[in-house]
Amino acid sequence: NAGVTQTPKFRILKIGQSMTLQCTQDMNHNYMYWYRQDPGMGLKLIYYSVGAGITDKGEVPNGYNVSRSTTEDFPLRLELAAPSQTSVYFCASSYAARGFQETQYFGPGTRLLVL
Amino acid sequence: RKEVEQDPGPFNVPEGATVAFNCTYSNSASQSFFWYRQDCRKEPKLLMSVYSSGNEDGRFTAQLNRASQYISLLIRDSKLSDSATYLCVVLTNAGKSTFGDGTTLTVKP
Repeated sequence: NAGVTQTPKFRILKIGQSMTLQCTQDMNHNYMYWYRQDPGMGLKLIYYSVGAGITDKGEVPNGYNVSRSTTEDFPLRLELAAPSQTSVYFCASSYAARGFQETQYFGPGTRLLVL
Repeated sequence: RKEVEQDPGPFNVPEGATVAFNCTYSNSASQSFFWYRQDCRKEPKLLMSVYSSGNEDGRFTAQLNRASQYISLLIRDSKLSDSATYLCVVLTNAGKSTFGDGTTLTVKP
């Protein structure tokens, strides 16, 4: 049981490049989340998904896209990288039923530097 | 106004001290509440769930006050290993999750 895995662990991008951050969970959780955390700040929600085929915007969705074609995978796409997207990105998953959510489990994070 | 606001900190306390953190939330539709601990440059890890009846886990006690829309975390007999950033998170039943900015605790010998 690997939990939540994220790849890559670290990446340097040039301005204007694109990339996909991968996130996979093997706990059969229905909810999945993408956050970014800038230095000295809290976690900001980018996108979330309450099940396969369903995604919703969080607090800071601009510049990102997501898809949820399977329960296990929730990739985050950056189309035109900008220096403001330099951050640590965390993926998380949880189980929810009847309006009650259990705890979120986090992946180890992807550190992204845009130059 | 932020949806979730935490004590700004930082808190610097001696070993053995009792320290309390508060977190207020503005969305009355919030349903689930948790405290997480985050060590430097690592992923957040669950510390405690928070229930209306209050819950205790060893030296840690969490409380929820729905009427006043705040949650609290009390740490008794602080240890050096408690030094970390503590994050509160509030979730609606629609799945939206909002974290506070975190409160940094440093426990000194």
